[in-house]
Amino acid sequence: DIVMTQSPLSLPVTPGEPASISCRSSQSLLHGHGYNYLDWYLQKPGQPPQLLIYLGSYRASGVPDRFSGSGSGTDFTLKISKVEAEDVGVYYCMQALQTPLTFGGGTRVEIK
Amino acid sequence: QVQLQESGPGLVKPSQTLSLTCNVSGDSINSGGYYWSWIRQPAGRGLEWIGRISTSGSAIYNPSLKTRVTISLDTSKNQFSLKLTSVTAADTAVYYCARFVVVAAASRYFDSWGQGTKVAVSA
Repeated sequence: DIVMTQSPLSLPVTPGEPASISCRSSQSLLHGHGYNYLDWYLQKPGQPPQLLIYLGSYRASGVPDRFSGSGSGTDFTLKISKVEAEDVGVYYCMQALQTPLTFGGGTRVEIK
Repeated sequence: QVQLQESGPGLVKPSQTLSLTCNVSGDSINSGGYYWSWIRQPAGRGLEWIGRISTSGSAIYNPSLKTRVTISLDTSKNQFSLKLTSVTAADTAVYYCARFVVVAAASRYFDSWGQGTKVAVSA
């Protein structure tokens, strides 16, 4: 199985300030098509996860442009340019390269 | 817009079979380009992919659960189901059904999730 490792576990943030979450995979997620099969999801309290970023850097429909994804191979980053109060929750990266699909342990973002 | 809704018992006894159904509305479960999936989340913990089934009925399971899990499709009712046998307390979790997009090489992600259903395994 591909192991996904996220850091930090917890991220206190000040509204208006930037935030960054790291995700590393135990093997490259770069497919022969040239796509990195890495997604980012946000799970707000009491809700199912919602898609933010797919293929490492493509914003999902309706996702604010303050969210951006970058990286390739085994190292990926999710950045929030200016955190808003509604961004609190747990962020998960997930590899979609092969089954079993696997998720990172999550990063809890909370407002200071 | 597609919507998914899980249903099933909230309490299952140890050693028995957990059975859940996901009702799909707003789109046909026969639509190509999707895998219909189950994911679970123990309280306060992360997400675990259980498995998925294609519109052709081909299923793939997480090896950690493979001997106990079956996912099936009922196109007449536009729903798919999960069965997990010989459950223990470790299977207590919120169970989500979700749609995984595989329309082309440039799409592999979960675009729709049910709200989740809590299942407790207890005598």
